[in-house]
Amino acid sequence: GAVVSQHPSRVICKSGTSVKIECRSLDFQATTMFWYRQFPKQSLMLMATSNEGSKATYEQGVEKDKFLINHASLTLSTLTVTSAHPEDSSFYICSARAIQPGLASYNEQFFGPGTRLTVL
Amino acid sequence: EDKVVQSPLSLVVHEGDTVTLNCSYEVTNFRSLLWYKQEKKAPTFLFMLTSSGIEKKSGRLSSILDKKELFSILNITATQTGDSAVYLCAVEGTIQGAQKLVFGQGTRLTINP
Repeated sequence: GAVVSQHPSRVICKSGTSVKIECRSLDFQATTMFWYRQFPKQSLMLMATSNEGSKATYEQGVEKDKFLINHASLTLSTLTVTSAHPEDSSFYICSARAIQPGLASYNEQFFGPGTRLTVL
Repeated sequence: EDKVVQSPLSLVVHEGDTVTLNCSYEVTNFRSLLWYKQEKKAPTFLFMLTSSGIEKKSGRLSSILDKKELFSILNITATQTGDSAVYLCAVEGTIQGAQKLVFGQGTRLTINP
């Protein structure tokens, strides 16, 4: 149990286009999902916290208008990179926190497999 | 500022050796410390530690937390080439009213046959 999927796993796009990444919790409900970015040989940096039915909370230095987050249901959050540029090329990882007490570790975050974005 | 610092950043050993990876932290309203293994994709969960002095074990891996010294170690005994990966330490805290994970830089472990 506690599987998180991301789609697509890899995307290559031209500069200026927008890219949408989906994060789904497949077998549990998640009121909270997190979006991270990881540059090569660096650690995961939290970009934003996404709560179902409300606006996302962005970390300092992350542009809200550039990285649009929508958390429309308890199993789906999307990250849209608008007008992508080469410097946005990175590995984007989502995680979901389970809400059911008793599901393994109640507060544990379950990570998706990541999406590698390359902007040419 | 909330931070997690891992050491060493890189480690190369021979198969069969024992390694110790370190993690120190300063995170607001500590909730738990987690260790992950990351190969080419997203991190996979190893351990979650919440109490001081209680060792958690899983096969050749073990970990312990010292909440007084704000420190944790991850031990891997009888290392195998399949242990080669980046090991991430993350601390969950309640920061500005929200529960967040703060990650360390990771330790890149290479096991040579």
